Amino acid sequence: DQQVKQNSPSLSVQEGRISILNCDYTNSMFDYFLWYKKYPAEGPTFLISISSIKDKNEDGRFTVFLNKSAKHLSLHIVPSQPGDSAVYFCAANSSPYGQNFVFGPGTRLSVLP
Amino acid sequence: DGGITQSPKYLFRKEGQNVTLSCEQNLNHDAMYWYRQDPGQGLRLIYYSQIVNDFQKGDIAEGYSVSREKKESFPLTVTSAQKNPTAFYLCASSIDHGTAYGYTFGSGTRLTVV
Repeated sequence: DQQVKQNSPSLSVQEGRISILNCDYTNSMFDYFLWYKKYPAEGPTFLISISSIKDKNEDGRFTVFLNKSAKHLSLHIVPSQPGDSAVYFCAANSSPYGQNFVFGPGTRLSVLP
Repeated sequence: DGGITQSPKYLFRKEGQNVTLSCEQNLNHDAMYWYRQDPGQGLRLIYYSQIVNDFQKGDIAEGYSVSREKKESFPLTVTSAQKNPTAFYLCASSIDHGTAYGYTFGSGTRLTVV
């Protein structure tokens, strides 16, 4: 049973609009969450993180929101750009330390010009 | 340029054969990891190593083996005991075992059993 779910395998958004990528988790012990971005033929790269002491973290065009009671987080990209087209992975852990992060299956975002 | 290199990008293996996937990093990172990705699933941890000559099993270590004789290198062997080896394999490293925020991933090896 997947502990981290990204129920939308793919998402298409018009350039300039908002992209919202969702992630749900089942383990109430998870307190640290990461988003990674992956282009074809490249490895994932770290994008943004949040811990459960916050409900929002912002970095430029990227904002992650955490609703701990609903066990749900979302990544907002505003405005979306064609270069944002990639696969986005959500990952969660009960601690900030490395090897126990559980990854979701990813959502493929396509930003259309 | 510092980075992490996986080779080959594509690999084909006959059933019953062992095969070794290469992972090399020149980032001076202490910790290295191997993940496997299957369609519709997240990355699952196979093995990790915090330091030279030491490594630990991850969630799906059965049918795999690793070595860490040098800081820069963490090869993964997929043995004939691995029942379903066809997958995409990702290697990663981090500056220490302490955080996943600093993961650097390689570009992956796609292994297909024929």
